[in-house]
Amino acid sequence: DTGVSQNPRHKITKRGQNVTFRCDPISEHNRLYWYRQTLGQGPEFLTYFQNEAQLEKSRLLSDRFSAERPKGSFSTLEIQRTEQGDSAMYLCASSPQPGTGGNEKLFFGSGTQLSVL
Amino acid sequence: GENVEQHPSTLSVQEGDSAVIKCTYSDSASNYFPWYKQELGKGPQLIIDIRSNVGEKKDQRIAVTLNKTAKHFSLHITETQPEDSAVYFCAGKLSFGAGTTVTVRA
Repeated sequence: DTGVSQNPRHKITKRGQNVTFRCDPISEHNRLYWYRQTLGQGPEFLTYFQNEAQLEKSRLLSDRFSAERPKGSFSTLEIQRTEQGDSAMYLCASSPQPGTGGNEKLFFGSGTQLSVL
Repeated sequence: GENVEQHPSTLSVQEGDSAVIKCTYSDSASNYFPWYKQELGKGPQLIIDIRSNVGEKKDQRIAVTLNKTAKHFSLHITETQPEDSAVYFCAGKLSFGAGTTVTVRA
């Protein structure tokens, strides 16, 4: 399978704990995006990378959230001091096209479902 | 991200009938208009897209039409089948609509 891979698929944690998710994009895709999706809503943009550079972050991304893509390949999203409101599906997407960020085809993974108790 | 709104939020159609979902966008400079389909437990999957230099694009039973003057684009599904039941999203720059849940009745 050469699609976007996200791990873990599910994560249950207690409020106040830190969690980290991993995304492996399609090989050679230079853009990588993180979105968050809650039940009954569309995906909400969090941040995106062009290779290893983090080019844009949403105002939704509080200082408890940090994302990295150190070698321009896989990416990690860490949430510190989790809150119940962080419960959501965290989606990763990648794109091969070099056009303006946010204006190209996105290939999504199946997401990581986070539940904060 | 750009503001995009889609309507309706739910749509129930008889198998074999057509379904139409409309999306309005705010940025007149937008030049890329995609539609995604999301099935339960999966991430969204691109099903069709259009760029601003064309008014319509078809791929078998699905089509997208664009009206740049009115700033809206629509998804058309003809001869609906049970496997078309899913949530459909339009997207703008870095943003997605709230989704339309399509149910195809047998």
